[in-house]
Amino acid sequence: QQQVKQSPQSLIVQKGGISIINCAYENTAFDYFPWYQQFPGKGPALLIAIRPDVSEKKEGRFTISFNKSAKQFSLHIMDSQPGDSATYFCAAGHYDMRFGAGTRLTVKP
Amino acid sequence: NAGVMQNPRHLVRRRGQEARLRCSPMKGHSHVYWYRQLPEEGLKFMVYLQKENIIDESGMPKERFSAEFPKEGPSILRIQQVVRGDSAAYFCASSPGPGGEKLFFGSGTQLSVL
Repeated sequence: QQQVKQSPQSLIVQKGGISIINCAYENTAFDYFPWYQQFPGKGPALLIAIRPDVSEKKEGRFTISFNKSAKQFSLHIMDSQPGDSATYFCAAGHYDMRFGAGTRLTVKP
Repeated sequence: NAGVMQNPRHLVRRRGQEARLRCSPMKGHSHVYWYRQLPEEGLKFMVYLQKENIIDESGMPKERFSAEFPKEGPSILRIQQVVRGDSAAYFCASSPGPGGEKLFFGSGTQLSVL
């Protein structure tokens, strides 16, 4: 049972562009929604996270938008850079996170 | 303060052998989670443990797989009689308390079954 659906599977963006990755969840008991960044050969690292009491959270070039009624949330990367090229995972849960399938982002110089 | 340490980084086993994956959580963390990642897929939750207790093993296959987190020492994920389908990257994560916040991942163990 896939509890978190993530799209797109892959994304190519030009340097300086905006990268947008979307996720949808099913379980209304989930109360924590993080995004993780993973480079090849490494474990995922927490990028930014949000709780359902706010609709948006911004940290530098990274923004999470959260729509509780639609059970959807998205990651926006502004001014995308080649160093942002990685796989991004959304997750949702309470104490144990359920992960989306990942989005492989390539930022072209 | 060392991060989450997993070993070995790479493990090769033949079908039918046993695989033991180790995870030492971050200092001060008493909650451990194991995830499996297949190529081009996300992380699949397997099991959540606290010291000496299995809290949630709903993602763990019922047979051949077991996990423990003893009072002393690392958490162990054990796969008995491995099959080719067990080949994957296994990630361990730890947190200081329950809840998904402050979840830190290790670099994973890549298991290859020949």
